[in-house]
Amino acid sequence: DAKTTQPTSMDCAEGRAANLPCNHSTISGNEYVYWYRQIHSQGPQYIIHGLKNNETNEMASLIITEDRKSSTLILPHATLRDTAVYYCIVRRDQAGTALIFGKGTTLSVSS
Amino acid sequence: DSGVTQTPKHLITATGQRVTLRCSPRSGDLSVYWYQQSLDQGLQFLIQYYNGEERAKGNILERFSAQQFPDLHSELNLSSLELGDSALYFCASSGSRVGNEQFFGPGTRLTVL
Repeated sequence: DAKTTQPTSMDCAEGRAANLPCNHSTISGNEYVYWYRQIHSQGPQYIIHGLKNNETNEMASLIITEDRKSSTLILPHATLRDTAVYYCIVRRDQAGTALIFGKGTTLSVSS
Repeated sequence: DSGVTQTPKHLITATGQRVTLRCSPRSGDLSVYWYQQSLDQGLQFLIQYYNGEERAKGNILERFSAQQFPDLHSELNLSSLELGDSALYFCASSGSRVGNEQFFGPGTRLTVL
């Protein structure tokens, strides 16, 4: 699976959009971009995933560049409860493949 | 609530001992994964079972073993425990459909004294 690079930490004001970048320049054509987050030692939580089109769900939006070498997770209106470590993971979208976590980005949302 | 349950929540034991961690996957999920999260290593994949059979292995020590039972619950056995085995152990489950995300349990915090 392709390697990802994320900033170590980011800050965001409550109510503002949080834009979390991820670089995955070695991504292959059959690999998807997944985002998970972990709130203070709780189990990681799935957020969103995509292949090449932009995706949106009730939690977030995922913007993938046309060359697929980078992506951005957008939390449109960050709240204090969004403070967490966010992991960008690239993997082949096969049922039953394990997740390989990097160090992620620690997002701190403050009032 | 992810639908994945893990017991116990906390476990404190001594070096050299053996413990068993239990995981019940979401209803209908056939795959179970075990992950370890320690301060210095981050989240690491240990092992995966699919419908009772071992499917994939990650960075699992020989002192550790797992199994998945016919009712699909899984157990992770840790033996000859060392101080460095202190960590959070997460179980996750997923369905068999391509693209199914993994749902994580709340974890078991193991402390080895």
